Amino acid sequence: RKEVEQDPGPFNVPEGATVAFNCTYSNSASQSFFWYRQDCRKEPKLLMSVYSSGNEDGRFTAQLNRASQYISLLIRDSKLSDSATYLCVVNGGKLIFGQGTELSVKP
Amino acid sequence: NAGVTQTPKFQVLKTGQSMTLQCAQDMNHNSMYWYRQDPGMGLRLIYYSASEGTTDKGEVPNGYNVSRLNKREFSLRLESAAPSQTSVYFCASSGQSGGGETQYFGPGTRLLVL
Repeated sequence: RKEVEQDPGPFNVPEGATVAFNCTYSNSASQSFFWYRQDCRKEPKLLMSVYSSGNEDGRFTAQLNRASQYISLLIRDSKLSDSATYLCVVNGGKLIFGQGTELSVKP
Repeated sequence: NAGVTQTPKFQVLKTGQSMTLQCAQDMNHNSMYWYRQDPGMGLRLIYYSASEGTTDKGEVPNGYNVSRLNKREFSLRLESAAPSQTSVYFCASSGQSGGGETQYFGPGTRLLVL
């Protein structure tokens, strides 16, 4: 089993849609969690940290379920500019990156 | 702040040639990392350095060496390049964010080994 697994994707959605990504992790001792965004041929960039109580940043909502060992990212009112690959990252003593889920938002 | 910088941006090598990828950060971070990213494989850690003067192997260290020259700089060397080392290489440094320690990446080096 991979240490961090994400929905395989790609997700193709129309503008304005709501899309959710899920990510599971195997190390129950993991302490911190993040979502990164990676645009084509660019470096990954931190999108948001994921807090135990859940957190929101504009159209983006991240949630953590420690009991089930999964993290989610919800994007509301998708924009064309949201098209990218979203990486789930888990820190259990070292950062482990998921393989990423590709999102394509169409007009 | 420039953040994390990498040179070169692109490189083409012939099998057996050597080269050094350079990385520097100006965020006063202790930890620095080298990753490679291949289609369908995600980011894989090659080497990391928890502090100046220390380096440790990551998931895929074979064929690479590293040098932590000082707190700012962390270089990756390919002594004898192989086609399997064709990849995109990212350097990163880590520091504290709101949710814990997280990583900041350089723009990457795209390497093609013929």
